[in-house]
Amino acid sequence: EADIYQTPRYLVIGTGKKITLECSQTMGHDKMYWYQQDPGMELHLIHYSYGVNSTEKGDLSSESTVSRIRTEHFPLTLESARPSHTSQYLCASTSSSYEQYFGPGTRLTVT
Amino acid sequence: KNQVEQSPQSLIILEGKNCTLQCNYTVSPFSNLRWYKQDTGRGPVSLTIMTFSENTKSNGRYTATLDADTKQSSLHITASQLSDSASYICVVSDRGSTLGRLYFGRGTQLTVWP
Repeated sequence: EADIYQTPRYLVIGTGKKITLECSQTMGHDKMYWYQQDPGMELHLIHYSYGVNSTEKGDLSSESTVSRIRTEHFPLTLESARPSHTSQYLCASTSSSYEQYFGPGTRLTVT
Repeated sequence: KNQVEQSPQSLIILEGKNCTLQCNYTVSPFSNLRWYKQDTGRGPVSLTIMTFSENTKSNGRYTATLDADTKQSSLHITASQLSDSASYICVVSDRGSTLGRLYFGRGTQLTVWP
């Protein structure tokens, strides 16, 4: 089982609040990713990182930001949550052998 | 346009039966193809990864095939169990960038009935 963790697992928050979704992995992987997934739909890449101090935006336009100060930690922040941000957010990391490991996800509901 | 299409969208089978899920892709260039199992409310878990030179790979009751010429893959599940109920996602990676970009299908929702 992969050692990649996400907190919180579930979050219900009001519009306009600032939130940070946490993601950490203990496998020493350089590459980490954030995906957004709506029910019955494919995963969309919103941010990725090659390593410490390296972050890039993905394919799906997102109002979130990320940081990578430590190899094991890749938090995602929404400065002002809106109902359109309601979704499942999945964090992942990749080993050198192509294998991508996913965290359990955070299900976010913005009311 | 690089795409990954999966069929059927959903499938219901009885426990103990076999089933086959399909994946067609247009991703080019091609690096590898993965099948993931995603339980409801959880993150995807890898079942198999196949590179260009591999045309079949097994993981217990799961067997994946790859035809890189026709750009098709299938996932065969043998002797299904109730715990096989999940979404099965086909993911294709290109080699056109250092990131190894991943293209995700929408998944096939499998339900196994007792």
